[in-house]
Amino acid sequence: DGGITQSPKYLFRKEGQNVTLSCEQNLNHDAMYWYRQDPGQGLRLIYYSQIVNDFQKGDIAEGYSVSREKKESFPLTVTSAQKNPTAFYLCASTPREGGSTEAFFGQGTRLTVV
Amino acid sequence: AQSVAQPEDQVNVAEGNPLTVKCTYSVSGNPYLFWYVQYPNRGLQFLLKYITGDNLVKGSYGFEAEFNKSQTSFHLKKPSALVSDSALYFCAVRVINQAGTALIFGKGTTLSVSS
Repeated sequence: DGGITQSPKYLFRKEGQNVTLSCEQNLNHDAMYWYRQDPGQGLRLIYYSQIVNDFQKGDIAEGYSVSREKKESFPLTVTSAQKNPTAFYLCASTPREGGSTEAFFGQGTRLTVV
Repeated sequence: AQSVAQPEDQVNVAEGNPLTVKCTYSVSGNPYLFWYVQYPNRGLQFLLKYITGDNLVKGSYGFEAEFNKSQTSFHLKKPSALVSDSALYFCAVRVINQAGTALIFGKGTTLSVSS
C-alpha cells in the first residue's frame, strides 16, 4: 500500500545531541513537509520541499535542518541548537506544488529530550 | 498575513446532537481549504476540502463543511454526533508565498462527544 512512513515512532535525545527523523513516501509525490505539533499550538511548519535538491524554511526552521536528495525521502535533523525539541513531529506530502489535492501524513515521531 | 483561526479550543456536544467546529481564514486570492482529524498519537486524516464550486462540501464519516466567502469561514458540521467522533480537528489552508506553496493549520479544536 502507498503511504508515508515515519521512523522511529519514539525517539529520545540527550542534551547537545543531534538526531535525525526519517520520512519516506512511496506515493510519487513531489512536495514534502515537516511540521511540529505542541499542545495548544497546532501544527507549525518547519521546512518544506517542492522538488528534489530544493527546500524552503517554514515558520520555525531555527535549530532544524533537512535534505532532499531523493524524491521519496525527506529526513529532518534536530540539532543541538534547537533549545526545546520535545514535541510530536509530523511529515506530510502532496502530489505537486499549488495543487488542490490534500496532504497525506505519516503517523508521527514523538521526540523527548532526556 | 495569511492565516487560519479556530476560535474554540474545545467543543462539547452530546451524542445525537448536531456539532459545529468553527474555522475562519485570511488568504490572498481564492482559498483552498481543508479539514483534518487526529486521534491520539497518530497522524492527521483528511476529512474534506473546498476548492471551488458548491459551498457545501461533504466528506468522510458524515461530516460536511460550509464555505462562506463573505465571512471568510469554513465551519465543519455533522447533523448527529457520535462518541467516536471525539478527536482533535484541524482546519488548514493552502497559501502561496515567494518560495512556493505550503499548507498552514489552525491550532486545532478538541471535540468531545458525551454519551
